[in-house]
Amino acid sequence: AQSVTQLDSQVPVFEEAPVELRCNYSSSVSVYLFWYVQYPNQGLQLLLKYLSGSTLVKGINGFEAEFNKSQTSFHLRKPSVHISDTAEYFCAVSVKFSGGYNKLIFGAGTRLAVHP
Amino acid sequence: EPEVTQTPSHQVTQMGQEVILRCVPISNHLYFYWYRQILGQKVEFLVSFYNNEISEKSEIFDDQFSVERPDGSNFTLKIRSTKLEDSAMYFCASSEGGSQETQYFGPGTRLLVL
Repeated sequence: AQSVTQLDSQVPVFEEAPVELRCNYSSSVSVYLFWYVQYPNQGLQLLLKYLSGSTLVKGINGFEAEFNKSQTSFHLRKPSVHISDTAEYFCAVSVKFSGGYNKLIFGAGTRLAVHP
Repeated sequence: EPEVTQTPSHQVTQMGQEVILRCVPISNHLYFYWYRQILGQKVEFLVSFYNNEISEKSEIFDDQFSVERPDGSNFTLKIRSTKLEDSAMYFCASSEGGSQETQYFGPGTRLLVL
């Protein structure tokens, strides 16, 4: 069965510092991987996704993530964070059904707190 | 930019009461989903819906739950007899296609069962 582990429940960081949010997944089949962000009182917004091809994917707001198949990881990075990046970040894996549909399995989330 | 909308944003109900959570998916999307997040826990898949029928449901989605697309725009989740443990944030999502397509999420409905 597929599962997603986000290793850090909270990550405090100072503004303009780099940040890495860790995500590991387990799956016996090929997966599609996603990072979503949830700002306070808002829904889940897609940051980036890995479907195939280049293992380094770039998303919105300067975030990027690297798919590492051997380590079953999909860590999210940003070289310099802003106060506005303060939010909850969710890693998710897409599980494909036989009919071509999919469902997302989410990690527990990492709360990124950027301090001035 | 088109977005998924959900109403109400918050709902408080008494245990045993029926609730209907409403969602308006993005207009050209064909696949619809409900997820929920109990406070402090993971976002969990509930059900997916395509071509006017349920395509997949989780163990959570028991006989107390039902989904419907009553018209061309709305997608609803009904809980027939709410329990305390149904208190959660409920997210609706939609996607244009199936397996590779991005799911776009609504802002959620926070349901509190007393």
